[in-house]
Amino acid sequence: DVKVTQSSRYLVKRTGEKVFLECVQDMDHENMFWYRQDPGLGLRLIYFSYDVKMKEKGDIPEGYSVSREKKERFSLILESASTNQTSMYLCASSLSRSSYNEQFFGPGTRLTVL
Amino acid sequence: KNQVEQSPQSLIILEGKNCTLQCNYTVSPFSNLRWYKQDTGRGPVSLTIMTFSENTKSNGRYTATLDADTKQSSLHITASQLSDSASYICVVSSNYNQGGKLIFGQGTELSVKP
Repeated sequence: DVKVTQSSRYLVKRTGEKVFLECVQDMDHENMFWYRQDPGLGLRLIYFSYDVKMKEKGDIPEGYSVSREKKERFSLILESASTNQTSMYLCASSLSRSSYNEQFFGPGTRLTVL
Repeated sequence: KNQVEQSPQSLIILEGKNCTLQCNYTVSPFSNLRWYKQDTGRGPVSLTIMTFSENTKSNGRYTATLDADTKQSSLHITASQLSDSASYICVVSSNYNQGGKLIFGQGTELSVKP
């Protein structure tokens, strides 16, 4: 079974702090994704990566950056956290670029910025 | 604009009853459509995938239909169980080889009561 793990289930940070969210997948998937999920808005894509050291902006990249130094690990960075970044963050991975490949999601990190 | 609309937003049914969730999309070009189930506090898990040429797909008590002409899909749940309580998300993929970028509906929140 594919397993996607996220470093924290719950996180509370203060405005202005630098925040790191870590995601690890164990199935040698090429693609990895970061989403945020807000009530009434569904899942929105922040960033994604096709390969190590590659990254592409999603629909809402402002205020975020990412890092993919190893194939299995994809990090989401909030350089200076703000209250409007309070949300559920979901990481996902898929085998390759084909849209037929299922995206497997991690359990999510609920981030609260005070 | 590529969009996925789901109805109803929420639904309460009694255990053992059937229900049908709806999904309308305006995504073009169309590649495939998935239904995901998201339990509270967990990441989404894929239930079914359908391509343009498929009009029905079953996974146990879950049956998805697709009408590519009217751009509508439905998810029918038979003999509901308490464990079916979850959010059901309709997800459409626009391009065959665009790295699996997805367009998400806002989800239908299903509550199954004893």
